[in-house]
Amino acid sequence: TQLLEQSPQFLSIQEGENLTVYCNSSSVFSSLQWYRQEPGEGPVLLVTVVTGGEVKKLKRLTFQFGDARKDSSLHITAAQPGDTGLYLCAGGKREPGLTFGTGTRLTIIP
Amino acid sequence: DTGVSQDPRHKITKRGQNVTFRCDPISEHNRLYWYRQTLGQGPEFLTYFQNEAQLEKSRLLSDRFSAERPKGSFSTLEIQRTEQGDSAMYLCASSLGLRDVLVSNEKLFFGSGTQLSVL
Repeated sequence: TQLLEQSPQFLSIQEGENLTVYCNSSSVFSSLQWYRQEPGEGPVLLVTVVTGGEVKKLKRLTFQFGDARKDSSLHITAAQPGDTGLYLCAGGKREPGLTFGTGTRLTIIP
Repeated sequence: DTGVSQDPRHKITKRGQNVTFRCDPISEHNRLYWYRQTLGQGPEFLTYFQNEAQLEKSRLLSDRFSAERPKGSFSTLEIQRTEQGDSAMYLCASSLGLRDVLVSNEKLFFGSGTQLSVL
């Protein structure tokens, strides 16, 4: 059972457009991480947010942790083909082992 | 830094056979994790090692699965009597395991995974 639901599941947009991916849960997490995964490879960490309401920016990517630490969003500005991939959110609690979301497969069309 | 290495990259086996996968973490990392990822899903946590001690196991890990990290360096994951439902990507990850960093906030480094297909 996936405790973290991501939406949309699939997203295909034109280069230069903006997009937002959502990660929602009924559980509270100590931290929320976002990963990007390419086909045939393992996930690569993009960011970790730990405080409710926290916003982090990584170039054209903006990550936000919800005030109640149950949800998060990833916003990409002016998407580029290199942004194509599977985006995964993952919630952390005190015990080891992350709970990953269902994933959003993003395709940027040149 | 050679990253996390997993071997083999692909494994095809017949139902009922045993398989073993190997993971070599980043050398100074003392924490090691195994995850399983099926098509269209996010990875699911299987088990965790702090040095050579296996400290956490998911309920997903049936009795047919066993993991070891004998010297606190590389780890192996064995699946006995494989079933078609075991077909998945098996991912290994490692982290530094600093005392003052919460497990939940750690940066995990993932390997490229072993893709298992059970026929």
